[in-house]
Amino acid sequence: RKEVEQDPGPFNVPEGATVAFNCTYSNSASQSFFWYRQDCRKEPKLLMSVYSSGNEDGRFTAQLNRASQYISLLIRDSKLSDSATYLCVVNVAGGFKTIFGAGTRLFVKA
Amino acid sequence: NAGVTQTPKFQVLKTGQSMTLQCAQDMNHNSMYWYRQDPGMGLRLIYYSASEGTTDKGEVPNGYNVSRLNKREFSLRLESAAPSQTSVYFCASSEAWRGAGRREQYFGPGTRLTVT
Repeated sequence: RKEVEQDPGPFNVPEGATVAFNCTYSNSASQSFFWYRQDCRKEPKLLMSVYSSGNEDGRFTAQLNRASQYISLLIRDSKLSDSATYLCVVNVAGGFKTIFGAGTRLFVKA
Repeated sequence: NAGVTQTPKFQVLKTGQSMTLQCAQDMNHNSMYWYRQDPGMGLRLIYYSASEGTTDKGEVPNGYNVSRLNKREFSLRLESAAPSQTSVYFCASSEAWRGAGRREQYFGPGTRLTVT
């Protein structure tokens, strides 16, 4: 079983739609959580950190459920420019162990 | 402020050849990392350097060596390339581990390596 699991998609949505991505992690020592965005043939870039209380950045909302070991990302009012792969990332406490999910691909269509 | 830079951007090697991938960061970060990314898999850590003067193995270190030349530079060497090392290689850097462990990583543009 992978330590961080994501639905690979692809998710195909129209502009303006709301889309949600889920991610589960298996290591209970996981301490910090992130969503990264990766455009085709580019490097990953930090989209947002995920805080225990949940956090929002414009159209993006991230949630963390430590009891269920589950992270989510909600994108509202999707734009064409949101088309990318979204990576769920987990840092495990006590060292430099950062685990990347394989990513969920999103295509937003006009 | 260039962030993280990597050279070369593309490379084709024959089996058994050697090469060094270069990485530099200008953000005064203490920690640096080398990852590989293969289709359908998440980025996998090859080696990391928590701070200048230290290096440690990650998840997939076999076939690779690294050098932390100074605080800015961290190189990855393939001594005898194999087709299984065909991949996209990313270098990243971050500030030192702090507080609750929140440590965002900043990535370079990647090196696309093909071993024939």
